[in-house]
Order: sequence, then structure tokens, then C-alpha cells
Amino acid sequence: TQLLEQSPQFLSIQEGENLTVYCNSSSVFSSLQWYRQEPGEGPVLLVTVVTGGEVKKLKRLTFQFGDARKDSSLHITAAQPGDTGLYLCAGYSGYSTLTFGKGTMLLVSP
Amino acid sequence: KAGVTQTPRYLIKTRGQQVTLSCSPISGHRSVSWYQQTPGQGLQFLFEYFSETQRNKGNFPGRFSGRQFSNSRSEMNVSTLELGDSALYLCASSLNPMGNQPQHFGDGTRLSIL
Repeated sequence: TQLLEQSPQFLSIQEGENLTVYCNSSSVFSSLQWYRQEPGEGPVLLVTVVTGGEVKKLKRLTFQFGDARKDSSLHITAAQPGDTGLYLCAGYSGYSTLTFGKGTMLLVSP
Repeated sequence: KAGVTQTPRYLIKTRGQQVTLSCSPISGHRSVSWYQQTPGQGLQFLFEYFSETQRNKGNFPGRFSGRQFSNSRSEMNVSTLELGDSALYLCASSLNPMGNQPQHFGDGTRLSIL
């Protein structure tokens, strides 16, 4: 069974602070996706990373895929209240289904 | 372009009953996957359908079943409901079988078992 461990589970910060969320596994993934889920809604895809060492930027969000393709991180610069939500990573290993982490719940207060 | 539509949004049932949830994928998407989301276990894969055939099944009891119609719409059924079945049930669609395809999620059906 492939597992994705996300840390921290909960994060409560003030507007303007920076933060990093981690997604780790002992398994190798051919690609990894990050989603954000807001209360009462389904997850929405933010980014897909496929190459070891790859870095992708989406405005104030920076995603990195580890060199060994076993881990990934999401860094948010100058967090805003609109960034509040559950951040989920999901890995695909080639065995046809996505494996989701349990998520990091982020609360950004004004 | 309309997104993934799940009905109903909320459902309250009692133990022992059965329930059917519906999912209409994005137009043109032929793959539909179902997930159960709970605070303790997170998002857990239930099953995936493509071209009316179940391609993959997660580690859930046989009380959980599903099907896909020729128009790609999908339904999932849970029989003999248990208290532990209370969860948010999410449906996701993609153009092709899951793989590393982006999953487009609906807003879910919140099922509460009394």
C-alpha cells in the first residue's frame, strides 16, 4: 500500500506570513498533483508535477517535486485569507489510481 | 462549460437503509471516479468507471457498488447503511482513465446516517 504523509495536519497563521506544506512517501511516484478544497466544495486541481526536481510557480504558490520523486512541497508567500482551505497532495505511481494524502488544513487570519 | 454535478447535495438516512448517489461528469469526460472523504481517513478511493466498465476498485466492502451509463453518468449505491458510512462522497471525472489525468471534482454528497 502506497501512503502519502502530509505535514503539518493543521496550520493557523496571520495574513502576510510565509508557510510550507510537505507531502512525503517511501514510494516513487511518476507524477504528483496538488489540490485545494474549500469548505462545502470539492477539491480543485492547482498543479501537476512530473519531473524529479521540478519547480512550478502559480502566483504566490511554489510547488516542488523531490529529485527522487518521493516527496513534494508547497510554499505560499505572503499568505492571504483567500488561501484558507484544505491542501491535498495526490500521487500517481503507474498502477492506475491516485493516492491521496490526508491533507493540510490551512487557516489564514486577517 | 458545466462542471461535475452531484445529486443530492445532502442526504440523511438511518441504519440498514440503502442509498443511491448520482454524478454527471463534465461533457466529453468518459472516466468517473468515486471517493469517500472523512476527517479521520481523508480521501479514500472507492471505484473508477470508464466506458461503462469498472476499471478499479478500492478496499471497500461489497455493500458499496456503482455503475456507469452510456452517457458517462454514474451512480453509486450503498446498501445496509452503517453509522460509519457517514461521509462526504465525491465524484471526479477526467477525459480518460485516471492515471495521472487531472481529476475534476464535484462538490459532493454529504451523507449522514442516524
